[in-house]
Amino acid sequence: DSGVTQTPKHLITATGQRVTLRCSPRSGDLSVYWYQQSLDQGLQFLIQYYNGEERAKGNILERFSAQQFPDLHSELNLSSLELGDSALYFCASSVEGADTQYFGPGTRLTVL
Amino acid sequence: EDQVTQSPEALRLQEGESSSLNCSYTVSGLRGLFWYRQDPGKGPEFLFTLYSAGEEKEKERLKATLTKKESFLHITAPKPEDSATYLCAAQRGEGSQGNLIFGKGTKLSVKP
Repeated sequence: DSGVTQTPKHLITATGQRVTLRCSPRSGDLSVYWYQQSLDQGLQFLIQYYNGEERAKGNILERFSAQQFPDLHSELNLSSLELGDSALYFCASSVEGADTQYFGPGTRLTVL
Repeated sequence: EDQVTQSPEALRLQEGESSSLNCSYTVSGLRGLFWYRQDPGKGPEFLFTLYSAGEEKEKERLKATLTKKESFLHITAPKPEDSATYLCAAQRGEGSQGNLIFGKGTKLSVKP
C-alpha cells in the first residue's frame, strides 16, 4: 500500500459525459501528478500540482482539467468523453517535485 | 525530444535463470532514473532511484545500474513471484517540477 488513495476504482460512462476522478496523496506530500495509461501509449504524464498550484503540464487535452484543494487532495475532471479516453488513470504524489513518486491504485475508466 | 526506450518488450525466463532488462534514455537535464514494478490492473510500485552514472542499487534479487545513456535492471535467480511488468522512467525538470517520462515496459514471465 503506497498511501495514495484514488476513487472510484472503476467508472463506466457514455460518450459525451463528464466524470471526476479523485486522489488523496500520502500524508505530508505536497505534489500530485496525474498520468494516463492506455494499452498502446503506456504511461503518459498529464499534469502536476504542487501545494495547490499548477506546476507542469504534459499531453493533457483541453477537455481535461484538474485542481488541487487546500487539503491537498486533487481532482481530475474529464468532459465530453470519447471512446479513446478509456484508460487507467493514475495519481502519484511526492514530497517535493524531484522526489520519488508513489502511485495510487488507479481508476479504470470505460467510455461506451 | 526526450525519450525512454525499454527492451525487450517481453521476456520469458525459467525460475533461477538470471537476465537483464535494458532502459535507454535521451533526456536533457536528467535528474533521476526510476524503476517501478507493475502488476496487472495495479499502480506502479517503486523499486529504485538512480541519480548519477556508476550508481548501483540492490533489493533482494534485483540490482539496478546507471550509465550516461542506459540503465539496466539485473534479475538474479528469479522466482515466479517476480513476474510483472517493469517500468523505467526518467525525470527532468527544474525546481518543483518532476514529471516522469516512462518507457513502455518489459513484461517479465518467470516459469517454475
